[in-house]
Amino acid sequence: EAAVTQSPRSKVAVTGGKVTLSCHQTNNHDYMYWYRQDTGHGLRLIHYSYVADSTEKGDIPDGYKASRPSQENFSLILELASLSQTAVYFCASSDGTGANYAEQFFGPGTRLTVL
Amino acid sequence: SQLAEENSWALSVHEGESVTVNCSYKTSITALQWYRQKSGKGPAQLILIRSNEREKRNGRLRATLDTSSQSSSLSITATRCEDTAVYFCATMSNYNVLYFGSGTKLTVEP
Repeated sequence: EAAVTQSPRSKVAVTGGKVTLSCHQTNNHDYMYWYRQDTGHGLRLIHYSYVADSTEKGDIPDGYKASRPSQENFSLILELASLSQTAVYFCASSDGTGANYAEQFFGPGTRLTVL
Repeated sequence: SQLAEENSWALSVHEGESVTVNCSYKTSITALQWYRQKSGKGPAQLILIRSNEREKRNGRLRATLDTSSQSSSLSITATRCEDTAVYFCATMSNYNVLYFGSGTKLTVEP
């Protein structure tokens, strides 16, 4: 079964601190994505990657970096966390090929609170 | 950029009733997807409908697509309490990038 895991599941960070959110997938998918979701809103794309060692900017990349060291792992880095980055962060993966090429499989999310 | 948007913020029905969630989008598409997000979980895909399709079914779910009016609908028949969730439509771009609407919160009451 397709699996996307995220760690940590919850984190409290201080303003100005560095935060790293990790994502691991066992789907053998080429594409991976980071989204943020604010309370009562949809998901907005931060960064994505379609191959290891390469990342692309999404709609709201400011204040975030991404790293894709391998096909299975995709990290989101907040170098200087700010209050406005308090949100739930979701990682997803997709195959990009085959009949179900477009379906994205989501992780359980990481709730980040910046104080 | 908000390329897709559901037309209702919240809907409430009783178990057994049918309900329809509507979505409008702003760009030409190759496909549109519907996702469901239950409380505390990540979204899960329900249906993908391609631009050359007018209707797609998945069990109690039926999605329609009207490219001329740039709109889509997701209907659920014989609703159950476990259908309570937020429903999103999402348009696709290159590299399978998805643009989600804000979602419609559906509550199914006993």
